[in-house]
Amino acid sequence: EDQVTQSPEALRLQEGESSSLNCSYTVSGLRGLFWYRQDPGKGPEFLFTLYSAGEEKEKERLKATLTKKESFLHITAPKPEDSATYLCAVQAKTGGSYIPTFGRGTSLIVHP
Amino acid sequence: EPEVTQTPSHQVTQMGQEVILRCVPISNHLYFYWYRQILGQKVEFLVSFYNNEISEKSEIFDDQFSVERPDGSNFTLKIRSTKLEDSAMYFCASTMASQETQYFGPGTRLLVL
Repeated sequence: EDQVTQSPEALRLQEGESSSLNCSYTVSGLRGLFWYRQDPGKGPEFLFTLYSAGEEKEKERLKATLTKKESFLHITAPKPEDSATYLCAVQAKTGGSYIPTFGRGTSLIVHP
Repeated sequence: EPEVTQTPSHQVTQMGQEVILRCVPISNHLYFYWYRQILGQKVEFLVSFYNNEISEKSEIFDDQFSVERPDGSNFTLKIRSTKLEDSAMYFCASTMASQETQYFGPGTRLLVL
């Protein structure tokens, strides 16, 4: 059973059309939720880390929020260069270590 | 800005051959990880490494896999006898502290024929 579920799987937007991506999780003892951007054939690129419910982080057109059950990545007035797969990962303590569990990602395409 | 580097970027090998994937983590980081991503699937944890020993490993990381930090800068993943299903992107990541953000390298695309 997936501990991290991202929705939608794919999203097509027109340039300037704001929207939100969702990441819901079921892990207990959350020790961090991470958002990454992944371009085709590349490694995940770090965007945000959120540690506690109510926390918000912003970077350019992106804003990440966190509740006790889910996180949202809000994209305001997106541009074509925002097209990528956005990955969510939740981190809980496994044994003595903190291991992130990734969702399947949301593939975002922004049309000019 | 410091970054994680990986070599080679692409590797093609025959089934049953050994491969070694190399990573240079960010220099002041202490925790090192390997992940894989099969085409079209999610990023999966393989192994974490701290203080010159494995701290956690997943079910995927069986006896065919091993990791090593042969010197002060490199971190390697060895697959002893590759299988077709080992074909994937392999990502190295590093972090300063276990619970903090992990920074990923660009990956090695492994193709087993």
